[in-house]
Amino acid sequence: DAKTTQPPSMDCAEGRAANLPCNHSTISGNEYVYWYRQIHSQGPQYIIHGLKNNETNEMASLIITEDRKSSTLILPHATLRDTAVYYCIVRPRTSNTGTASKLTFGTGTRLQVTL
Amino acid sequence: GAVVSQHPSWVICKSGTSVKIECRSLDFQATTMFWYRQFPKQSLMLMATSNEGSKATYEQGVEKDKFLINHASLTLSTLTVTSAHPEDSSFYICSARKHGGSVEQFFGPGTRLTVL
Repeated sequence: DAKTTQPPSMDCAEGRAANLPCNHSTISGNEYVYWYRQIHSQGPQYIIHGLKNNETNEMASLIITEDRKSSTLILPHATLRDTAVYYCIVRPRTSNTGTASKLTFGTGTRLQVTL
Repeated sequence: GAVVSQHPSWVICKSGTSVKIECRSLDFQATTMFWYRQFPKQSLMLMATSNEGSKATYEQGVEKDKFLINHASLTLSTLTVTSAHPEDSSFYICSARKHGGSVEQFFGPGTRLTVL
């Protein structure tokens, strides 16, 4: 799977948009960009994924650059409950074996939302 | 849908004893389940991948005889930490992949193991 690079930490004021960047310059054509987050002492939570088009759901928006070498996760109105470690992962979407299903977690970005 | 539970949520045991952790997919069938370990202030590390009805595939450096994985049904996988020692104290998290194609994983809430 392609390697990703994220800043170790970010701060965001409550109510403001949180923009979390991720570099994945070695991403291949069949790899999707996935975002998960982990709130302290809980299991990871799926947020969103995309291939090349921008995506939006009830939790966040995902902006992928045209060359697909980087992406940004946007939490439009951050709240204190969004304080977590956010992981950007790239990998193929489908698989008939366990190999492509594996998720390789990097160190992620620790987002601290403050009052 | 796609809820994964783990039991227990936390456990404290004495050194040398064995501990079993259960991972259940509550509303879907899971062909594949994954076990991760997370030490304080570190990222999740995949320990093993288990497919229903077959032996688990362990990641490099993970002792298969120490971390016994059983995936006997499409909704249950168990991880047994045998002869636990203080260095096995960690946060153990499972995830499950739905039967059929997509690679999305759904994570359990984790189990905090403390070995005294």
